[in-house]
Amino acid sequence: EPEVTQTPSHQVTQMGQEVILRCVPISNHLYFYWYRQILGQKVEFLVSFYNNEISEKSEIFDDQFSVERPDGSNFTLKIRSTKLEDSAMYFCASSEPSRNQPQHFGDGTRLSIL
Amino acid sequence: GESVGLHLPTLSVQEGDNSIINCAYSNSPSDYFIWYKQESGKGPQFIIDIRSNMDKRQGQRVTVLLNKTVKHLSLQIAATQPGDSAVYFCAENNSSYKLIFGSGTRLLVRP
Repeated sequence: EPEVTQTPSHQVTQMGQEVILRCVPISNHLYFYWYRQILGQKVEFLVSFYNNEISEKSEIFDDQFSVERPDGSNFTLKIRSTKLEDSAMYFCASSEPSRNQPQHFGDGTRLSIL
Repeated sequence: GESVGLHLPTLSVQEGDNSIINCAYSNSPSDYFIWYKQESGKGPQFIIDIRSNMDKRQGQRVTVLLNKTVKHLSLQIAATQPGDSAVYFCAENNSSYKLIFGSGTRLLVRP
């Protein structure tokens, strides 16, 4: 069964450094998403992406965040200058390009900011 | 404001019994709901979904019930197995494509 893959599984970064999280969505999906989950809390929406542009973003997704689809298979989340509070699990998801289709999630990248 | 909440943070059931996990939602208009299962160290795994024009949907050993009158969603798991132990989230999708997740219920299956 096709799945969303994310790398790395764990990223440790010094505060203030840039970090790039990578995702390979399911191949026939055209909607892509990033979510985050702070330890012990619920999953929070960050951003959705379709047709090479952001469709929607949350208040969390400020100017320090950016997303990109650099080629036909990868989807990345960049945090420009990391803060301690960016420590969380980051999940990538993808879905088919029609309404009311389930989003399928990867197993996440654990980001630890020191 | 937007919110999707859960009644119980932890549910403990005997192996072989049926489990019922509940979720209350308050966001409207809401037209699509999903249940996810999250095991330790993994991402949310799709279980079953339901559209707002339906009251009930069945999958393999799982049933989702939607009561729009009281804005309540439930997930029923038949003959609960040890492998069902996980955190279960309901998620809601309205006119946008983002999912709004509830805070989760931990299901513990006793042998």
